[in-house]
Amino acid sequence: KAGVTQTPRYLIKTRGQQVTLSCSPISGHRSVSWYQQTPGQGLQFLFEYFSETQRNKGNFPGRFSGRQFSNSRSEMNVSTLELGDSALYLCASSPTGGGYNEQFFGPGTRLTVL
Amino acid sequence: SQKIEQNSEALNIQEGKTATLTCNYTNYSPAYLQWYRQDPGRGPVFLLLIRENEKEKRKERLKVTFDTTLKQSLFHITASQPADSATYLCATLSGAGSYQLTFGKGTKLSVIP
Repeated sequence: KAGVTQTPRYLIKTRGQQVTLSCSPISGHRSVSWYQQTPGQGLQFLFEYFSETQRNKGNFPGRFSGRQFSNSRSEMNVSTLELGDSALYLCASSPTGGGYNEQFFGPGTRLTVL
Repeated sequence: SQKIEQNSEALNIQEGKTATLTCNYTNYSPAYLQWYRQDPGRGPVFLLLIRENEKEKRKERLKVTFDTTLKQSLFHITASQPADSATYLCATLSGAGSYQLTFGKGTKLSVIP
């Protein structure tokens, strides 16, 4: 089975712009979670989707949004980018989500905001 | 919500020794706890999952313990090798009925030849 893929791998944007990141989960996995990782804060949960429904949302401002399509592929969008949004954005998939499922992570998208 | 502390940001050990990493959680008592390995610039990779009714779990040179009384998990790597150098993360659910995994900030392990 192919692993989790994320596109693009690297992105450079300027403040005020918006960005869309894409994640394709492992075939058959219906849960997709998104995380932001920075050196100071570590891995922070953004949101989790299952069968096109957002089941959990982390403590991020409304500028961060996401969605999931019927084929389980997911996108996350960040509007009005700020310098502090520079981070590695990781998505992870699992069959059903929850603490008893291991998460399969993608390689991440490195976002730099100038 | 759940809070996880991995009390060593970095740990240096000599090759061949046993590395022991600590993960403490507060608030919610999870039914499961997971450990991941992360190499620089890459996504975390799942290593082990331990259930609350399992005191210990092993996989090759890895061993994880789960003490619900102490609210603590220990992660051991025996006969450590330089290739084991990486950041190790523990994770649990953030609360009952949640699908949100909360991660610790990780412990960066360096195995010195």
